[in-house]
Amino acid sequence: GNSVTQMEGPVTLSEEAFLTINCTYTATGYPSLFWYVQYPGEGLQLLLKATKADDKGSNKGFEATYRKETTSFHLEKGSVQVSDSAVYFCALIYNNAGNMLTFGGGTRLMVKP
Amino acid sequence: EAQVTQNPRYLITVTGKKLTVTCSQNMNHEYMSWYRQDPGLGLRQIYYSMNVEVTDKGDVPEGYKVSRKEKRNFPLILESPSPNQTSLYFCASSLTQGGTEAFFGQGTRLTVV
Repeated sequence: GNSVTQMEGPVTLSEEAFLTINCTYTATGYPSLFWYVQYPGEGLQLLLKATKADDKGSNKGFEATYRKETTSFHLEKGSVQVSDSAVYFCALIYNNAGNMLTFGGGTRLMVKP
Repeated sequence: EAQVTQNPRYLITVTGKKLTVTCSQNMNHEYMSWYRQDPGLGLRQIYYSMNVEVTDKGDVPEGYKVSRKEKRNFPLILESPSPNQTSLYFCASSLTQGGTEAFFGQGTRLTVV
């Protein structure tokens, strides 16, 4: 079946550091890929997405590129802020699975001033 | 404002006492689903619904029921809650087409003692 693996946290960085959160997936065919962010006490919000190979999703300074050859969708940001502290989830939808999102385990990011 | 509303936000109950968590969306989405979030496991889908009167099991349906009598509402029912159902629950909705954004409620933290 489909699965998503992302690096375990927590990831602790100083403000303005470079961020990478790794995400790899296993799926049949060509899923759509997502990063969701969960701020403390809130639900998940879509951060960015990519629907086909080599697409790059970007939002709020975050980027991720759909790499079919390595089945990866790593999240990056060049300069993190304290306000980026949250839990980040990588996820995929394989269309034949009825729009069901398959999530990774989540990575907690803590950014210190 | 487009939103998914869950109630209650917090609930403490005793083993065996039936409870219902409500979910309502105002975006006319066909697809709705319930997830539970547990540490290290990410979010796992409990049940989903493709449209009114159409529901199906997700990855972890045991001990839960759902109904979809109206397009906007998708309640989650625990007929006889047990401590292993202590978790953080999220309702989500989206259009049916694959690759579209899912909108999440703010979550319901359930504790079963």
